Amino acid sequence: DTEVTQTPKHLVMGMTNKKSLKCEQHMGHRAMYWYKQKAKKPPELMFVYSYEKLSINESVPSRFSPECPNSSLLNLHLHALQPEDSALYLCASSQVTGGSYEQYFGPGTRLTVT
Amino acid sequence: QKEVEQDPGPLSVPEGAIVSLNCTYSNSAFQYFMWYRQYSRKGPELLMYTYSSGNKEDGRFTAQVDKSSKYISLFIRDSQPSDSATYLCAMSADGGTSYGKLTFGQGTILTVHP
Repeated sequence: DTEVTQTPKHLVMGMTNKKSLKCEQHMGHRAMYWYKQKAKKPPELMFVYSYEKLSINESVPSRFSPECPNSSLLNLHLHALQPEDSALYLCASSQVTGGSYEQYFGPGTRLTVT
Repeated sequence: QKEVEQDPGPLSVPEGAIVSLNCTYSNSAFQYFMWYRQYSRKGPELLMYTYSSGNKEDGRFTAQVDKSSKYISLFIRDSQPSDSATYLCAMSADGGTSYGKLTFGQGTILTVHP
């Protein structure tokens, strides 16, 4: 099974709201990723967690706050977002060792900030 | 110049045609190569994963990597209308500060018409 699940599928939030996106995988992967994708563009990396520790932050604004509670779960906490943050937010996971590093993506959460 | 160049198309072919999708890259450190298919408003789906140079076949799909020319290809045989999607190439280097970072091409929009 190569499934990564994400909830919710769609989210509409105001600029003063606080919300969270959730991601889950049961492939035993120890690296998990958050990407942001705007229309007609490739995904842009936001954060990488390796063994539940943040290993890469691509200079993402602090209104996005990632969390990795355990090896299967990844959250993205959202606060005081701007309309330009509206996008498809993708979670992905991969192995860390073993020489096979392909990333598997979830279906995404489509976020609209009003 | 982008690290990964991919012709955005759009590419339109009749059903049953052989489709060739290509990416060139400039970073000789890239060793892991992936092709993803992304349907509109969905997450990217991993199609092919290749390490270093060589060919890999899976059903109607063949991936080729030529590291000497810094050129990768995806061939789709007997194309079907259900293959209509955006195809993204992605690649990563081996470990170090680039661990986990995928560099994507811009994506090629493919339409297969009946």
